[in-house]
Amino acid sequence: GAVVSQHPSWVICKSGTSVKIECRSLDFQATTMFWYRQFPKQSLMLMATSNEGSKATYEQGVEKDKFLINHASLTLSTLTVTSAHPEDSSFYICSAIFGGSSYNEQFFGPGTRLTVL
Amino acid sequence: AQSVTQLGSHVSVSEGALVLLRCNYSSSVPPYLFWYVQYPNQGLQLLLKYTTGATLVKGINGFEAEFKKSETSFHLTKPSAHMSDAAEYFCAVSEANTGNQFYFGTGTSLTVIP
Repeated sequence: GAVVSQHPSWVICKSGTSVKIECRSLDFQATTMFWYRQFPKQSLMLMATSNEGSKATYEQGVEKDKFLINHASLTLSTLTVTSAHPEDSSFYICSAIFGGSSYNEQFFGPGTRLTVL
Repeated sequence: AQSVTQLGSHVSVSEGALVLLRCNYSSSVPPYLFWYVQYPNQGLQLLLKYTTGATLVKGINGFEAEFKKSETSFHLTKPSAHMSDAAEYFCAVSEANTGNQFYFGTGTSLTVIP
């Protein structure tokens, strides 16, 4: 149980275009989802926390107008990188919390590799 | 603020040798502690977690970790390294009063030498 999927697994786009990444909880309802980005050989950096039906909470330094997060249902959150530039190239990982979890365990998706040319 | 320290960004062990990956945290309240493994271009896979109860926690693939409150540590061990253990390992800490937020260590890259 507790499977989280991401789509696409990798994407290459031209500079200036927008890219949407989906994060789905396949077998549970996720009250909260998180978006991270990871640069090569580095740890995960939390970008934002997303609760179903409300606006995402962004971490300091993360541009909310550039990284649009929508959490329209209990099983789906999307991250849209708007007007992508080469410096946005990174590995993006989402995670979700099981609604009934008492221990804050996050279930992670497989990640999406974004390359902006 | 919560912080997680993983001593040693790179650890190399011989196949069959003991694996020891260190994790120390700072927390003013009892934490929830996690170890994750990440293979190249993949997401994070949970190895084990400590929430409450027994301080020695056994996880998948022969890994275990011990929560030592007095040392604020949660070191990961495996008695005998296997080639397939080569990966990136992350320690993470969460507290009940932080809105489920995780604090990750900087990671330790494990190399297993044949």
